[in-house]
Amino acid sequence: GENVEQHPSTLSVQEGDSAVIKCTYSDSASNYFPWYKQELGKRPQLIIDIRSNVGEKKDQRIAVTLNKTAKHFSLHITETQPEDSAVYFCAASISTGGFKTIFGAGTRLFVKA
Amino acid sequence: IAGITQAPTSQILAAGRRMTLRCTQDMRHNAMYWYRQDLGLGLRLIHYSNTAGTTGKGEVPDGYSVSRANTDDFPLTLASAVPSQTSVYFCASRSGTGSAGELFFGEGSRLTVL
Repeated sequence: GENVEQHPSTLSVQEGDSAVIKCTYSDSASNYFPWYKQELGKRPQLIIDIRSNVGEKKDQRIAVTLNKTAKHFSLHITETQPEDSAVYFCAASISTGGFKTIFGAGTRLFVKA
Repeated sequence: IAGITQAPTSQILAAGRRMTLRCTQDMRHNAMYWYRQDLGLGLRLIHYSNTAGTTGKGEVPDGYSVSRANTDDFPLTLASAVPSQTSVYFCASRSGTGSAGELFFGEGSRLTVL
């Protein structure tokens, strides 16, 4: 089945710096790659997603890139702010054998003011 | 308010007891999911349902069962709880068709098995 690995597990940056979180997936049949943000004590919420026929997508300060050949995708946050502090999860969705979304282990991002 | 509701929000349970976590959505989404969240392990898929009447196994299905009698409800049952099932459980439903689409999560159910 699909396996998603996420790095780093913890990331600390200074306010205003950029943050990059990287994920790899194992199943080439995965075709949808969402990213979720989870603030402390709250539910995960979608922040950006990318489909397999697109290499890059940007939404204000966040962007996601996808390299299908290498099975890599990354989240980039620019001009980080303290409110960006949260746990971020990457995920891969696959349609073979049922429509399943498999998550990475998460990255805890700290943005220091 | 439209959305997805879980119950109970928190429960302490003795090992060996049976427990059902309830999940209801009013968004008419076809697909629903149960995840467990453990520190350092992220969100792991337990069971899923692509449409009413069908279910499938996720990454960690052992010790859990689900049913999907209708579109709105997707209960998760622990037949005989064990301490390793102590976790936060999230139910989710998905918009869209196929494998793409946003997952909408419930607020979570914190389960402690003693």
